[in-house]
Amino acid sequence: NAGVMQNPRHLVRRRGQEARLRCSPMKGHSHVYWYRQLPEEGLKFMVYLQKENIIDESGMPKERFSAEFPKEGPSILRIQQVVRGDSAAYFCASSKGPDYGYTFGSGTRLTVV
Amino acid sequence: DQQVKQNSPSLSVQEGRISILNCDYTNSMFDYFLWYKKYPAEGPTFLISISSIKDKNEDGRFTVFLNKSAKHLSLHIVPSQPGDSAVYFCAANAGNNRKLIWGLGTSLAVNP
Repeated sequence: NAGVMQNPRHLVRRRGQEARLRCSPMKGHSHVYWYRQLPEEGLKFMVYLQKENIIDESGMPKERFSAEFPKEGPSILRIQQVVRGDSAAYFCASSKGPDYGYTFGSGTRLTVV
Repeated sequence: DQQVKQNSPSLSVQEGRISILNCDYTNSMFDYFLWYKKYPAEGPTFLISISSIKDKNEDGRFTVFLNKSAKHLSLHIVPSQPGDSAVYFCAANAGNNRKLIWGLGTSLAVNP
């Protein structure tokens, strides 16, 4: 009865490298949401995905960021050519559907050095 | 442009007393409000919610009050316990829009 699993818990990347953050939703959940919490700020919506579909990516930076939720496997948030400003906690949440509340994972803390 | 505001970054109360956490919002389209609790190094945990058609929702020690005319909501915790010490986030959304808009959080410390 695992909850939302995010890995890695901590990720350190040098500027210019790629970061891949993984999110395995709860069993039976087909909707995934990614949020980012910058230091001293609240959570900010990034993207909402269903299996194989991006429903709302209005919170995603226009460049370097992408997300997917394939038919099989976890959802991936990918950040190319990371910069120091990408250092943040990235939280994933999942739900059964749009009319259900969602459950958060413990987050991935990305540090760009 | 902070649409959901939690103006008190921190609050300290004595065990057994009432904790009142406040939240204001600016977007009149918001129709669903939620409170989440967050411990360090963990994700937010859903606590309680309220629809805009109600003005109060209660769940055990937690009660949320909504004043739509003032665009204000509050979370009451009675009685407060040391285990309630955490950061509390207020969040809101509008209609079928699934994305939540969050406040910056209030750090609650309940002292034994």
